[in-house]
Amino acid sequence: DSGVTQTPKHLITATGQRVTLRCSPRSGDLSVYWYQQSLDQGLQFLIQYYNGEERAKGNILERFSAQQFPDLHSELNLSSLELGDSALYFCASSVEAVGANVLTFGAGSRLTVL
Amino acid sequence: QQQVKQSPQSLIVQKGGISIINCAYENTAFDYFPWYQQFPGKGPALLIAIRPDVSEKKEGRFTISFNKSAKQFSLHIMDSQPGDSATYFCAASMVTGGGNKLTFGTGTQLKVEL
Repeated sequence: DSGVTQTPKHLITATGQRVTLRCSPRSGDLSVYWYQQSLDQGLQFLIQYYNGEERAKGNILERFSAQQFPDLHSELNLSSLELGDSALYFCASSVEAVGANVLTFGAGSRLTVL
Repeated sequence: QQQVKQSPQSLIVQKGGISIINCAYENTAFDYFPWYQQFPGKGPALLIAIRPDVSEKKEGRFTISFNKSAKQFSLHIMDSQPGDSATYFCAASMVTGGGNKLTFGTGTQLKVEL
C-alpha cells in the first residue's frame, strides 16, 4: 500500500457520460498529480495541484477538469466521454510542489468507456 | 510530442545477466531524472533518480549512467532476477511555473528468465 488511495478501482460507463475519479494523497503530501496511462500513449501528465491551487498543466483535454479540496483530496472529472478515454488514471502525491520530488502513485482507476 | 524517448520497448534477460534500458531527452530544461518500476496492477514506484550534474549513481544492483552532452541516460540492472520482471519507465522533470512537470518515457517491459 503506497498510501495514495484512488477510487473507484474499476469503472465501466458509456460514451457521452460523465465520471468522477477520487484521490486521497499520502499523509503529509500537499501536492497531487493526475496521469493517464494508455497502451499507445504511455503515462501522460494531466495536471498538478498543490495545497488547493493548480500549479502545472499537461495534456489535459477541455472535457476533463480537476480540483483539490481543503482536506487535500482531489477529484478528476471526465465528461462527454469517448471510447478513446478508456485508460488507467493514476493519481500521485508528493510533499513539495517543485524540485526533486518523489512521486508516490496510487494503484489507479481503470476506466472503460463502451 | 514525445520529449523522452525510451528503448527497447521490451527486453528478455537471463537470470544473472545485465539489463540495460536507454533514454534520450530533448529539452535541456529538465533537471531531474528518475526511473520508475511498475508491476502489473500497481502504480509506478520510484526506483532510483539522478541529477544532471552527476554522471553515475548506484543503488544496490541498479545504476543510472547520465551523459549530459548527449542528452542520454540509461538504467543498468546487474545480476538481474526474476523478481525484477516489471515495466520500467524513465522520466524527466522540469519546474514549470509554480509546479513540476514529470514527463515519462514509453516504458520497457523487462522479463528475466530462469
